[in-house]
Amino acid sequence: GQSLEQPSEVTAVEGAIVQINCTYQTSGFYGLSWYQQHDGGAPTFLSYNGLDGLEETGRFSSFLSRSDSYGYLLLQELQMKDSASYFCAASSARQLTFGSGTQLTVLP
Amino acid sequence: EPEVTQTPSHQVTQMGQEVILRCVPISNHLYFYWYRQILGQKVEFLVSFYNNEISEKSEIFDDQFSVERPDGSNFTLKIRSTKLEDSAMYFCASQARELAVTHEQFFGPGTRLTVL
Repeated sequence: GQSLEQPSEVTAVEGAIVQINCTYQTSGFYGLSWYQQHDGGAPTFLSYNGLDGLEETGRFSSFLSRSDSYGYLLLQELQMKDSASYFCAASSARQLTFGSGTQLTVLP
Repeated sequence: EPEVTQTPSHQVTQMGQEVILRCVPISNHLYFYWYRQILGQKVEFLVSFYNNEISEKSEIFDDQFSVERPDGSNFTLKIRSTKLEDSAMYFCASQARELAVTHEQFFGPGTRLTVL
């Protein structure tokens, strides 16, 4: 089985940088994905790390350390529209297992 | 831009009834998934489907549940004898290739199931 832990809530101000951590215990781990969900809507894909290191996509970056079973999502230049839930998700061969989600609140 | 669609957006049913949730995945995708999300909780994997058969299912996906791809476009989740605890948002997702190759799953807008 797989389990993922991430903080339940994070609050930051507009323009700031925030990091959302994720630790995992898994079997058959392929990589770590991040998804964003606004108000219970469809989760949308943000990034994926299959190898150790940093992946950058615009204002969002994601990091993975397989040896530490740890990853994070870094959001820079926060905007109000970034207020949402963020889920890390572990990929195995045939399924995606989501963490419990981090509710990010961006304050003006 | 192609997208996953789901119908209905909201389904209300009486306990013990059967419901069928429908999904139309992105047309050239080969891998299909159902997830559920109880209000305020995490997204939980139910089942993955490829080549007209289940490739993996979770402990949640017991005999009460079944999936089908009845034609070339639809992908359905049937829940028999619904229980109060089946009330949740059900998301369908599709993917072009297997998880090891393509990493992005495309989610539909969900069907909110309410069991009374």
